[in-house]
Amino acid sequence: KQEVTQIPAALSVPEGENLVLNCSFTDSAIYNLQWFRQDPGKGLTSLLLIQSSQREQTSGRLNASLDKSSGRSTLYIAASQPGDSATYLCAVCRAVNQFYFGTGTSLTVIP
Amino acid sequence: EAGVAQSPRYKIIEKRQSVAFWCNPISGHATLYWYQQILGQGPKLLIQFQNNGVVDDSQLPKDRFSAERLKGVDSTLKIQPAKLEDSAVYLCASSLDGETNSPLHFGNGTRLTVT
Repeated sequence: KQEVTQIPAALSVPEGENLVLNCSFTDSAIYNLQWFRQDPGKGLTSLLLIQSSQREQTSGRLNASLDKSSGRSTLYIAASQPGDSATYLCAVCRAVNQFYFGTGTSLTVIP
Repeated sequence: EAGVAQSPRYKIIEKRQSVAFWCNPISGHATLYWYQQILGQGPKLLIQFQNNGVVDDSQLPKDRFSAERLKGVDSTLKIQPAKLEDSAVYLCASSLDGETNSPLHFGNGTRLTVT
């Protein structure tokens, strides 16, 4: 069974700092990995999807990398802003669109 | 495009009562998921539909939970009778066609409190 771990569980940084969120998974036989953002009381918003054949994906200030062999993905956020404060979750996709979620990292960006 | 619609947004019931949640996926999305998210945890899959057929319901507590997607579009999830441990956010998600690289799109969820 696929297990997905996100460390740290919570992170607090001053505005403007660059930061890295980590996601690790136990089974490297994946189809893709998605990073999501969840604001309090809301659903999940898809940020980036990395296919298994890709090494990274970029969207604006966000960059996600994938190393299947080591079972790791990172989400890099450049020049953090208070509006980036949210919980960030990663999800690993196996066959038939089976998604396994991590427990998330709660990010607070201090103005 | 319109997103995934869910209702109600909040529901408070007493244990042993029944409750139903509704979801309308993004138009044209063949795959629909119901997830349960307990506070501080990641979403856990309850059931996955491909059109109107069930793909995976292995983690659905079938003695109390049921779900249907009769016409392959919108879906309902029911709990009867509810237990205290069912308090959670119930999230509906959809993806385009079941292909392995279709991103998931989530609704805002229904927050259920069982007292």
